[in-house]
Amino acid sequence: RKEVEQDPGPFNVPEGATVAFNCTYSNSASQSFFWYRQDCRKEPKLLMSVYSSGNEDGRFTAQLNRASQYISLLIRDSKLSDSATYLCVVLRMDSSYKLIFGSGTRLLVRP
Amino acid sequence: GAGVSQSPSNKVTEKGKDVELRCDPISGHTALYWYRQSLGQGLEFLIYFQGNSAPDKSGLPSDRFSAERTGGSVSTLTIQRTQQEDSAVYLCASSHRTGVTGNTEAFFGQGTRLTVV
Repeated sequence: RKEVEQDPGPFNVPEGATVAFNCTYSNSASQSFFWYRQDCRKEPKLLMSVYSSGNEDGRFTAQLNRASQYISLLIRDSKLSDSATYLCVVLRMDSSYKLIFGSGTRLLVRP
Repeated sequence: GAGVSQSPSNKVTEKGKDVELRCDPISGHTALYWYRQSLGQGLEFLIYFQGNSAPDKSGLPSDRFSAERTGGSVSTLTIQRTQQEDSAVYLCASSHRTGVTGNTEAFFGQGTRLTVV
């Protein structure tokens, strides 16, 4: 079982739709959480950090449930430009500090 | 520069040759990561540096791979006797010292696309 699991998708949605991505992590030593976005043949770019109380940035809302070891990302009013792969990332801080990436969920927003 | 810089951006090499990939992290970032991404695949962790030391090199695929970091800044990933399966994009990321709350976001360079022919 992978340490960070994501539904690979693809999620194919019309413009304006609301879409939710889920992510689970298995290591309780995970301390920090992020969502990254990766466009085709580009490097990953930070979308947002995920805080325990949940946080919002415009159309994007991230939630963290430490008890269930579950992270989510909600995108409202999807735009064509949101089409990308969304990567769930955890920072494990035990004997080793390591950023662990999920395999990503691909989103396709159609006109 | 303002961001993570990697060089070269593209490298084509013959099987069996050695290659060196360079990463120049964001100034002041003490944590540095190397990842590898094959076409259509996820990110594969290779090695992590905190300052000049590498507390976690568990992801290096074989003893043909090595990395070093000097002066707490530039890092070099070396692949000896390259094989075709080494072909991938090699990504470097840096962040502030891990363990500092709110400062652990990592920023990536544009990667080095390595092709072994």
